[in-house]
This record gives sequence, C-alpha cells and structure tokens, in this order.
Amino acid sequence: EAGVTQSPRYAVLQEGQAVSFWCDPISGHDTLYWYQQPRDQGPQLLVYFRDEAVIDNSQLPSDRFSAVRPKGTNSTLKIQSAKQGDTATYLCASSFGTGGSQNTLYFGAGTRLSVL
Amino acid sequence: AQKVTQTQTSISVVEKTTVTMDCVYETRDSSYFLFWYKQTASGEIVFLIRQDSYKKENATVGHYSLNFQKPKSSIGLIITATQIEDSAVYFCAMREGTGGYKVVFGSGTRLLVSP
Repeated sequence: EAGVTQSPRYAVLQEGQAVSFWCDPISGHDTLYWYQQPRDQGPQLLVYFRDEAVIDNSQLPSDRFSAVRPKGTNSTLKIQSAKQGDTATYLCASSFGTGGSQNTLYFGAGTRLSVL
Repeated sequence: AQKVTQTQTSISVVEKTTVTMDCVYETRDSSYFLFWYKQTASGEIVFLIRQDSYKKENATVGHYSLNFQKPKSSIGLIITATQIEDSAVYFCAMREGTGGYKVVFGSGTRLLVSP
C-alpha cells in the first residue's frame, strides 16, 4: 500500500514569493491534515478536511495561506506571499474517519521550506 | 480547547534500560483518543501506540507501553529495553471524541539512547 506522498521535498524562496505544496493521501483515507512544524517544535495544525470539505481552518493564516481538496483525494496548500516566519516543514497526514484504525495519522515525508 | 503538554525537552539513557516520557492533556470531552508518535532523524513521523479514554487497560505494543492516569489527565510512554535506534523525538497527541477529527500535538521529547 502506497503511503502519503508529498511534493516537493524542499523549497527555497525569497520573501514575497508564492509556493504550493501537494499531497496525495493513502487511498481511501477520507480525512486529510496539513501541519506546520517549525524547527525543534511539534506539528501545529493548519487545516484539515473530511472528504472535500474544510472542517477546521481556524489556524490557517487566511490572508496568505489557502488549502483545497477539490475531489476529496489530493490536496494543495498554497502560500501566496511567503515570509521568513513561514520557514518550517509542512507535513501532510491522512486517516480513516471510522473503523478500527480510525484516528491514526499517517504522515508524508514533508516539504522543508526555507524563506530567505 | 484541547491541549497537550510535554515538559521534558530531552532525555538521555543507556541502552537496554527503561525510559518514561510524560504527557499531560486538557480536554472538556468525556471521550477522547491519545497517541504517541515517533519522529526519526530523517524527519519521518510514525505512529507508535494509542489509548482510547474509555479503556481502563493500558495499551502495549512491542516494547512500548502506556501509563494512562485519567484522573491526572496523564498519558506516559514507557519504552523498555531501549535500543540505539529508539533515539528520536517522541510526540504525544490527542483527538477529542466529539466535534470533528482535530488532532493536536505536544512539543515533543528528544530521546538519546547511548551504548
């Protein structure tokens, strides 16, 4: 079974540039999460989806960040105008919402973003 | 709002010994799920073990076990017979039983296992 796939693995930007992160969850997983992990900190939830619907995006800086999951499968997280404070690893995770293994998150390898 | 706190920043142990990592949580829900994840040096995050709040028995998987103390809102991770490859950062996480599928993480505890 293929795991969660993220791309790109690395991104280096100047402040003000835009960047998009792509995530392909495990097949059949209905819930998809985007986390931001600054260096030496725990993952911090940005947004999560159940199928194509946004369930909680309260921690997403809405003026510069956006996330979509149009068909309830792949997802894209976009930063419109990156700032140095956005430097972090961006993690995608997926899970089944129901069933015996519900709630267990499976993580992708992450995208390491550096904003200069 | 749900919250997870790990106060131990780092722990060093000698291999083959037992280590306990602490985690306390805050929630208003009577039903919730608690998890421990491991992040290796490569950055990979993997699920280790889980405790459902309604279960009285402490979960055990391989050489990982949990010390669930519900009245203290505490879920400690115990690793017995530690190995060098257990060196990693360990995160505690929680999902409340109602109101969606939000999973929040603690700040992590770095474990160094030396020969």
